[in-house]
Amino acid sequence: GQQVMQIPQYQHVQEGEDFTTYCNSSTTLSNIQWYKQRPGGHPVFLIQLVKSGEVKKQKRLTFQFGEAKKNSSLHITATQTTDVGTYFCAGPGSGGSNYKLTFGKGTLLTVNP
Amino acid sequence: NAGVTQTPKFQVLKTGQSMTLQCAQDMNHNSMYWYRQDPGMGLRLIYYSASEGTTDKGEVPNGYNVSRLNKREFSLRLESAAPSQTSVYFCASSVGTGLTYEQYFGPGTRLTVT
Repeated sequence: GQQVMQIPQYQHVQEGEDFTTYCNSSTTLSNIQWYKQRPGGHPVFLIQLVKSGEVKKQKRLTFQFGEAKKNSSLHITATQTTDVGTYFCAGPGSGGSNYKLTFGKGTLLTVNP
Repeated sequence: NAGVTQTPKFQVLKTGQSMTLQCAQDMNHNSMYWYRQDPGMGLRLIYYSASEGTTDKGEVPNGYNVSRLNKREFSLRLESAAPSQTSVYFCASSVGTGLTYEQYFGPGTRLTVT
C-alpha cells in the first residue's frame, strides 16, 4: 500500500535555529497535508498542498510540495519554544482514496530555550 | 461548536473486558475515523466511515468493531481487550468530499489494558 516516509524521527534544536522535516512517497501524491501535535494533545491540521512545486507560508513555517509530487518539506525559521511538538505529513490512502489518509510516523521537535 | 468530542478521556481495563469508545462531531461532516497512536508508530487507521451507513477496515482493524450510529456519532468497541490494545485512541472527522478533506481530531482516549 501507499506509504509516506518521514525524516528525521527526532530533532532537537536551540531556540532560534531553523528546523526542517521531510516527507517522501514512492508514488505520486494527489495532495499532501501537514499536521502538528503538541505533547499530550491531538493532531491539528496545518495546511494542504495540491499543486506540483507549490510553496505556502504561514508566518515562520514554509511548506513545499515537490515538482514530481512525491516529496514535501516543512521548514521552520528561527524556532521558538511554542514550536515544540510532533509534525506529521499525510497523503491520500491506498488507491488514492479521498476518504482516508496515510500518516507518516512524524518528526518530534524539541526546542532548548 | 464543540468540534469532535470523545468519551472517556482515560480508561483502564483488565484483559478480556469490553468497552465502547464514543465519538461525536457537530460539524455536519460526512466521514469519520478511528486511529490509534503508539510511540514511534505514528497514527494508524483502525476503521473509517466514509458516509453515514458505511464502515470500512483500515490498517489495523483486528480486535475492534465500529458502529456509525448516525451522521454525528461513530463508536469503537473492544470486545475482549488485550494488553496490545494499550494505546491512545483518536477519533477524527472530515468533510470527505473531493480534495477538501482535512481531518479534525478529538482530544483522544488514553486506554491502558492490564
